Amino acid sequence: QVQLVESGGGVVQPGRSLRLSCATSGYTFSSYGMYWVRRAPGKGLEWVAVIWYDGSKKYYADSVKGRFTISRDDSKNTLYLQMNSLRPEDTAVYYCARDKGVVAAFLDFWGQGTLVTVSS
Amino acid sequence: DIVMTQTPLSLSVTPGQPASLSCKSSQSLLHSDGKTYLYWYLQKPGQPLQLLIYEVSNRFSGVPDRFSGSGSGTDFTLKISRVEAEDVGVYYCMQSIQFPLLTFGGGTKVEIK
Repeated sequence: QVQLVESGGGVVQPGRSLRLSCATSGYTFSSYGMYWVRRAPGKGLEWVAVIWYDGSKKYYADSVKGRFTISRDDSKNTLYLQMNSLRPEDTAVYYCARDKGVVAAFLDFWGQGTLVTVSS
Repeated sequence: DIVMTQTPLSLSVTPGQPASLSCKSSQSLLHSDGKTYLYWYLQKPGQPLQLLIYEVSNRFSGVPDRFSGSGSGTDFTLKISRVEAEDVGVYYCMQSIQFPLLTFGGGTKVEIK
């Protein structure tokens, strides 16, 4: 069955970096786009970044553009989110999700999330 | 950005009774391809989000038929015909017509009386 497992979260000081991973299994990773979505404490879900199935296109929310980088390693069936220059407002649970959409996003499977806390 | 508004914020339901959740979008979710890109998810406590309904009214694989979605344009509804204890959690609607930008409703928390 399709599984997505995030890791790499933790407590980090403002201005520092962190890399999240999303290990996938149960399907052909290289055939699907992937999203990162987050939920800050007491707030709603917010999309963060997306990468095309072949890595050819990447898009970012304005709130993270220039600081976060999404990438993938098809040989490891793993999605990444490199987060630099972290701010307290980046504190959130980060989820990865599989996108099977063509014209529009169709997020069918999600991970359980990993908590990132940015605090001094 | 399209704003998604869900009501009510919370719902307490007696097992076996129906429940109706609303989701309204600030713009039409009808795409030029004829499809409407509105999705419903459920996040049970301690579990990943699970897809219930895609493109307004299509039940995802394995979703019980007590869940149904309806609506058009900017006004959408998720109905649970007979709520069961396992249906507790937070329900979210999501639009993807502004792909790759996604926006989500704030969620409706469903509890059992």
